[in-house]
Amino acid sequence: DTEVTQTPKHLVMGMTNKKSLKCEQHMGHRAMYWYKQKAKKPPELMFVYSYEKLSINESVPSRFSPECPNSSLLNLHLHALQPEDSALYLCASSQGSGLERNEQFFGPGTRLTVL
Amino acid sequence: DAKTTQPTSMDCAEGRAANLPCNHSTISGNEYVYWYRQIHSQGPQYIIHGLKNNETNEMASLIITEDRKSSTLILPHATLRDTAVYYCIVQGYGQNFVFGPGTRLSVLP
Repeated sequence: DTEVTQTPKHLVMGMTNKKSLKCEQHMGHRAMYWYKQKAKKPPELMFVYSYEKLSINESVPSRFSPECPNSSLLNLHLHALQPEDSALYLCASSQGSGLERNEQFFGPGTRLTVL
Repeated sequence: DAKTTQPTSMDCAEGRAANLPCNHSTISGNEYVYWYRQIHSQGPQYIIHGLKNNETNEMASLIITEDRKSSTLILPHATLRDTAVYYCIVQGYGQNFVFGPGTRLSVLP
């Protein structure tokens, strides 16, 4: 299984809602990532988990809360988002610690719209 | 900031080779060159990576100059399905992937 899956594919939420994005991989990878991609822009790194521990948080607002329940799963909890948070949210995984030079495998993304 | 510069866009005729250049003049000795592509609204797809030797796989070839300051991704027989944004990324130990704007490749029939 060489796939990273993400659910849901699309999500529409109001600014007062709480929702979660989910990501799963079964490749035995020990590093997992969240990226945010605005329209017509490249992906930007948000969080890195290495061996289930948060190792990098790229100054992301606290309304985004990541969680890594185990080595195969990664969640992104959303609360009190703003319309400018509307974007494609991408999950990726890689072998090793995330510090090593390993290719990352990306999921298809969740298209989030905040009303 | 991204450590690479790429043309904003390129066109290629279907069936011809697509040669996508990337400049990484500040690359250091332990940094790899990665290529990804992103077809509209999908997640980025890994294509190939290399350190200093040329590399080839079932998707593409990667040619890295001897001084490692630039590289070229070659899609030998481009098809319409190769239309995408192509990203060249330089990554070293302990560094994150930083995506630049990439090259928008349009394969024309």
